[in-house]
Amino acid sequence: NAGVTQTPKFRVLKTGQSMTLLCAQDMNHEYMYWYRQDPGMGLRLIHYSVGEGTTAKGEVPDGYNVSRLKKQNFLLGLESAAPSQTSVYFCASSSRDRRARANQPQHFGDGTRLSIL
Amino acid sequence: DQQVKQNSPSLSVQEGRISILNCDYTNSMFDYFLWYKKYPAEGPTFLISISSIKDKNEDGRFTVFLNKSAKHLSLHIVPSQPGDSAVYFCAARADGNEKLTFGTGTRLTIIP
Repeated sequence: NAGVTQTPKFRVLKTGQSMTLLCAQDMNHEYMYWYRQDPGMGLRLIHYSVGEGTTAKGEVPDGYNVSRLKKQNFLLGLESAAPSQTSVYFCASSSRDRRARANQPQHFGDGTRLSIL
Repeated sequence: DQQVKQNSPSLSVQEGRISILNCDYTNSMFDYFLWYKKYPAEGPTFLISISSIKDKNEDGRFTVFLNKSAKHLSLHIVPSQPGDSAVYFCAARADGNEKLTFGTGTRLTIIP
């Protein structure tokens, strides 16, 4: 019963390097999300996807790109890492309850701790 | 502009007593509210939710109250247990919107 799996769990980058964070969910959820959590800031939405092949910007999208080529995977890319992107990144997924016409609560992965030097 | 506010960064409660965590919001379009619980090095886990058509929702030891006129909700945990020590996030969603807006969290410590 994996749920939402994030890889890697930890990573240290140098300024200017690029990397991709992978999120995989095995619950057949339509919606997927990427958040960042910083001290005193709560969780802020970076990008999200309402289905395979679609993405949309969240609250803090600058400096990040995403792709949803497969329904179960949602990738977050940093093209040129900056120290301000040091954070803990969380991926989440949720399903749509068509009868209630509402999204179900989001399920979260355990996070990726990213440090940029 | 913080649309969801949790003004208490931390709260300490004796084991067995009631824990009350508060959350305020400013966006009148929010109509669905959730509480998440987070342990260190883990992702947030869903705890309980409430729709704006209700003013109370109960699930075991957890009850959420919603006061729409005051734009305020609270989470009551009774009796509090050591395993309840965690960070609690309040979140809100507007109708038809897939996005959640989170508060900054309250760290609850249950004292044995």
